[in-house]
Amino acid sequence: DAGVIQSPRHEVTEMGQEVTLRCKPISGHDYLFWYRQTMMRGLELLIYFNNNVPIDDSGMPEDRFSAKMPNASFSTLKIQPSEPRDSAVYFCASSLYRGWGETQYFGPGTRLLVL
Amino acid sequence: GQNIDQPTEMTATEGAIVQINCTYQTSGFNGLFWYQQHAGEAPTFLSYNVLDGLEEKGRFSSFLSRSKGYSYLLLKELQMKDSASYLCAVGNNAGNMLTFGGGTRLMVKP
Repeated sequence: DAGVIQSPRHEVTEMGQEVTLRCKPISGHDYLFWYRQTMMRGLELLIYFNNNVPIDDSGMPEDRFSAKMPNASFSTLKIQPSEPRDSAVYFCASSLYRGWGETQYFGPGTRLLVL
Repeated sequence: GQNIDQPTEMTATEGAIVQINCTYQTSGFNGLFWYQQHAGEAPTFLSYNVLDGLEEKGRFSSFLSRSKGYSYLLLKELQMKDSASYLCAVGNNAGNMLTFGGGTRLMVKP
């Protein structure tokens, strides 16, 4: 398997612009997670989906952030409008639930810089 | 909620043994994970403990005490490539959620 795929790998944009991050989970995995990582706050869970349905979005910072999962093989995280404080590495991860806590497999991340 | 504590940084010498501790407080527990993250890369899975005791996997071992809310990751025969951040994460009963600690940055010196 190719693992979790994310695009773009790097994104530089100006404040106020819309940013869309994309993720393809590992085939067959039924959980998908979006995280944000910064030096100050570490790795934070933003939102996660189970079978394409958002389960918990309490980590989404504010209304400027939105996430969708239209099908089992694709998810997007959108920031509109973007702000400099959104600069971070955004990771997507997926897992397969089999009863106990299951390993999450991370994509390579998108490094976002908002100027 | 979850509260996870681990040291921010540690330094050790190549060939030595290092123990990275993690303490947690949780309202629901579904296992304790350790991840390794090299600079500029994604976290990768190292180990999983759900029962008390020691799990050994090559040079790496992980220990869990659920009654004490305590885990450690033991790295033996340290190599330069082990320089990385090590993230402790607690699994939540609510689905497959993980809550991550801030990570311990390990520097291995010659």
